Amino acid sequence: NAGVMQNPRHLVRRRGQEARLRCSPMKGHSHVYWYRQLPEEGLKFMVYLQKENIIDESGMPKERFSAEFPKEGPSILRIQQVVRGDSAAYFCASSLGSVLRVDTQYFGPGTRLTVL
Amino acid sequence: KNEVEQSPQNLTAQEGEFITINCSYSVGISALHWLQQHPGGGIVSLFMLSSGKKKHGRLIATINIQEKHSSLHITASHPRDSAVYICAVRGGSSNTGKLIFGQGTTLQVKP
Repeated sequence: NAGVMQNPRHLVRRRGQEARLRCSPMKGHSHVYWYRQLPEEGLKFMVYLQKENIIDESGMPKERFSAEFPKEGPSILRIQQVVRGDSAAYFCASSLGSVLRVDTQYFGPGTRLTVL
Repeated sequence: KNEVEQSPQNLTAQEGEFITINCSYSVGISALHWLQQHPGGGIVSLFMLSSGKKKHGRLIATINIQEKHSSLHITASHPRDSAVYICAVRGGSSNTGKLIFGQGTTLQVKP
């Protein structure tokens, strides 16, 4: 049973370009969380998605950032018109159950975004 | 003040020593996680606790809900335990499952 997959592992973009980060949850998991770790800072929640629904996006910057988790395929975190301050490690985590249960979240290896 | 505070921030130990990392939180929670992040960045979930104590190999995690405090203990520490240990809580009133993280404790175990 493969773990949480993220790709690419490293992504370099120039200012103004778009970054697309992909996350494939563990098999059978329908809940996906995105977290960001800025250099020298702790992890911060960005967004929580279930299939085809955004449940909580309270941690997402208001502009340029969007996320989706379609019925088929991976979850995508999209950053438009990247700026140097977007350089960070972006982690995806997935869990199995409903919001009524407390589930372990399994983390992917992260995507390290560098904006030149 | 952060909702989740860890201490110490940095810890250096000799191989074989008993290690304790502390986590205090100020919000109501439904669960607390201990995570391990190695250089190179991958994150592994070590424990999820909502009460009491859990043990896995040389690792022990405890939580005191009344005092809003958790500890992670490592017995007979080894250089391969060197990593960043992160405490994270899931809010009790939140039904979204999002985690709030401490700043992490960087542990170095010397041979």
